[in-house]
Amino acid sequence: DIQMTQSPSTLSASIGDRVTITCRASQSVSSWLAWYQQKPGKAPKLLIYKASNLQGGVPSRFSAFGAGTDFTLTISGLQPDDFAIYYCQQYNYYPYTFGQGTKLEIK
Amino acid sequence: EVQLVESGGGLIQPGGSLRLSCAVSGFTVSTNYMSWVRQAPGKGLEWVSSIHDDGSTIHYADSVKGRFTISRDNTKNTLSLQMNSLRAEDTAVYFCVRQAAGFDYWGQGTLVTVSS
Repeated sequence: DIQMTQSPSTLSASIGDRVTITCRASQSVSSWLAWYQQKPGKAPKLLIYKASNLQGGVPSRFSAFGAGTDFTLTISGLQPDDFAIYYCQQYNYYPYTFGQGTKLEIK
Repeated sequence: EVQLVESGGGLIQPGGSLRLSCAVSGFTVSTNYMSWVRQAPGKGLEWVSSIHDDGSTIHYADSVKGRFTISRDNTKNTLSLQMNSLRAEDTAVYFCVRQAAGFDYWGQGTLVTVSS
C-alpha cells in the first residue's frame, strides 16, 4: 500500500498568513493526488484534484503543486473559514490512501 | 443539485450485520465510479470500497475484504454497503462518495457503532 505522510500534523497561523502543507507519498502516484478540507461534524470537501487543479468554487487563495512523491498545498492570505483539517489522498492505486491530516488552527 | 444521502447506520453488536444505503440525486450512479469512505471517531479518513461504472470492477480495503460488499441499484440510483461480521474497529461515520477527479461529492455520513 502507498503511505501518505503529511507535515506538519498541526499548524498554527494567523489571519492573513501564507501557509504550506506538505504531503509525501511512499512511491510515485504521478499526479493522481487530491486535497480535502474538513470541518468538525462535516464531510470533507474537495479542494484540489490531479495535484494542482482547483475544484470549482474553491477560492483562488488555495493552490497546490507537485508530482511523483512530493506535493504541497498553499493557502495565501488565511481567512477565518480556512481553519480546518486538511487531508491529501492518492488515487493512483488501490487501496486509495489518505494522509493523516493537518490541523490548521488559529494562533 | 447533487445530493447523496446515506442511511442505515446505528448501534450493532459485534458479529452483527448492517446494510448502508446511499440515495443519489443529480447524477447517475451507474455511469460513475462510487466509493465508501469511513472515519472513526476523532480519526482520519479511510477508503473502504469502490465500484466502477462497469459494475464489475470492485475494490475493497484489506480491513473489510470478505466481510463487506459494495453494490448498486441502477433502477433506484442507489449505492449500498452490506457489512457482515462487524467488529469494534468498524465503528465510524461512513460516507458515500462520487469518485471523479478525486472524490468530488460526499454524503453527510451515517454513524455505525459496533458495541455490546
